[in-house]
Amino acid sequence: GAGVSQSPRYKVAKRGQDVALRCDPISGHVSLFWYQQALGQGPEFLTYFQNEAQLDKSGLPSDRFFAERPEGSVSTLKIQRTQQEDSAVYLCASSLGQGTRNEQYFGPGTRLTVT
Amino acid sequence: AQTVTQSQPEMSVQEAETVTLSCTYDTSESDYYLFWYKQPPSRQMILVIRQEAYKQQNATENRFSVNFQKAAKSFSLKISDSQLGDAAMYFCAYRDTGTNAGKSTFGDGTTLTVKP
Repeated sequence: GAGVSQSPRYKVAKRGQDVALRCDPISGHVSLFWYQQALGQGPEFLTYFQNEAQLDKSGLPSDRFFAERPEGSVSTLKIQRTQQEDSAVYLCASSLGQGTRNEQYFGPGTRLTVT
Repeated sequence: AQTVTQSQPEMSVQEAETVTLSCTYDTSESDYYLFWYKQPPSRQMILVIRQEAYKQQNATENRFSVNFQKAAKSFSLKISDSQLGDAAMYFCAYRDTGTNAGKSTFGDGTTLTVKP
């Protein structure tokens, strides 16, 4: 079946603009994760959903970052009033169940450039 | 907080030879999972191998194997018979089994070059 998809693949935003990044997880996957990957670094955890419930948002860097998954499938990561330091690749991952054992499948990412 | 350190930003290997990528981590937990992921230039992260901390036996997946030293908090990846398609960035990752189950902590990666 189809893997995790993300859109857009590339986004250029002017500083101060709002952006919305979309993640379509693998059908039936309960858990969904967002990570931020700065250039030359490893991914850093942002937030985690189990179905529609956001169980952990400890990694969101500021209140300008907001994520939702209203129907327990597609998720949107929204960044308000973008800043240059928000430039990064945003990765989405999904897994079949909750918990550590389940493999996380990653999407191709959205590369956000803030000018 | 857990941390993961990959001390080799870049490594290279001759095709058909063996290379070992290093990873150390810090945690106060006794039960957890460790992973190696491969990220080719296209950016899709792919799981290479997984190790459960309570298992003493080192995980193997075909040409990929790990050397897991729990007391030393070390988790290295060995790639045997390296192939051109192995060229990628490799990330070591740690995952709790407790309340933060699912949340992964990654190292900063090692870029592997395979020379023909």
